[in-house]
Amino acid sequence: GAVVSQHPSRVICKSGTSVKIECRSLDFQATTMFWYRQFPKQSLMLMATSNEGSKATYEQGVEKDKFLINHASLTLSTLTVTSAHPEDSSFYICSATGTSGGSSYNEQFFGPGTRLTVL
Amino acid sequence: GQQLNQSPQSMFIQEGEDVSMNCTSSSIFNTWLWYKQDPGEGPVLLIALYKAGELTSNGRLTAQFGITRKDSFLNISASIPSDVGIYFCAGRNAGKSTFGDGTTLTVKP
Repeated sequence: GAVVSQHPSRVICKSGTSVKIECRSLDFQATTMFWYRQFPKQSLMLMATSNEGSKATYEQGVEKDKFLINHASLTLSTLTVTSAHPEDSSFYICSATGTSGGSSYNEQFFGPGTRLTVL
Repeated sequence: GQQLNQSPQSMFIQEGEDVSMNCTSSSIFNTWLWYKQDPGEGPVLLIALYKAGELTSNGRLTAQFGITRKDSFLNISASIPSDVGIYFCAGRNAGKSTFGDGTTLTVKP
């Protein structure tokens, strides 16, 4: 299967600061990347979908100016939580699908997640 | 939009028992996926199903793509303590995945 990495795995920041989370596809070209948010004991909540080189498509209720997504290359997407507040504390997980060696994946592969704590 | 009903929400079983969970939808999906999420980790793909009626195994795990394309089940045989976690189903159409709410599995030694 394809490998997706995320960095950092944990981050603690002060209220009002911005935090950037990186998501990388290690052995395939991620044409589409997804960002999810997950609260304790709850399911995955899709925040946005991004295609390489295009603007991200945000789900209803997700503030695009608050959660900036950049997908500038086929192996890297970033999520920046701007002016973070305690209510932004959560587990953020990226996911990707794409191609490898000319074949397309029909599955989504997930990163290990980033635990954000805003004090 | 498309929605998945995943059941049961949680299961508490004894080590060695078999487990079954399923997902149903009012919509048709072209692909069904099953993931497992360990605490503090991202979901890991367990099994992918691509054709109606397909039955696929991965070790002690067996999953089936329902004939109607509106449902799928996952069975775990002879459960062990490391099977604990949250299991998610996902139906996929046209590059978009819809996830179930998850089944939390607890295995007592």
